[in-house]
Amino acid sequence: AQSVTQPDARVTVSEGASLQLRCKYSYFGTPYLFWYVQYPRQGLQLLLKYYPGDPVVQGVNGFEAEFSKSNSSFHLRKASVHWSDWAVYFCAVSLMSNYNVLYFGSGTKLTVEP
Amino acid sequence: GPKVLQIPSHQIIDMGQMVTLNCDPVSNHLYFYWYKQILGQQMEFLVNFYNGKVMEKSKLFKDQFSVERPDGSYFTLKIQPTALEDSAVYFCASSMDWGDQDTQYFGPGTRLLVL
Repeated sequence: AQSVTQPDARVTVSEGASLQLRCKYSYFGTPYLFWYVQYPRQGLQLLLKYYPGDPVVQGVNGFEAEFSKSNSSFHLRKASVHWSDWAVYFCAVSLMSNYNVLYFGSGTKLTVEP
Repeated sequence: GPKVLQIPSHQIIDMGQMVTLNCDPVSNHLYFYWYKQILGQQMEFLVNFYNGKVMEKSKLFKDQFSVERPDGSYFTLKIQPTALEDSAVYFCASSMDWGDQDTQYFGPGTRLLVL
């Protein structure tokens, strides 16, 4: 079945540590891929998006993600986490057959410890 | 960045009543969307809308659901009558353009509880 999976519902990291949030997708063909972040009481904000091309995509606030076709993955990374990164992160996919519908993962809640 | 507002942030309603969820999209955006997220589950696409018309809808967009944007005001999702399974967070989004180069901007959601 077609799906977007974020296997980690919760992740806790120490401030200053590196971060990886995992996302795997199961769709035919090459999808377009997105990472959104939701801070408390705010709407989802786009961190970065991947269109076919360079597999490593740079986003805002030092985030980057790497597309792997062989692994069907689009993991989000950050070299040094800040307390302000405390939020829920959503991976999403849209398909070349229909760009205008986003399919979301269930989200990963990131907690940053001092 | 561009902001999408949603009113109200929370709504509690008795089953069978009508509810209208309001979305104030980014001012120059032309395309509008609703997504639904049941507690503990993934956010799922409901419907998108352009130029006064529903462009596409998912199987979740039941006959009891309707959307409109009268005279450039709020983009609304109306549920009439509501059912228990309509309890969820509803997210509105808007985009300037259509297609692969565009970005959807999301509101903070309206939490709907149907009793």
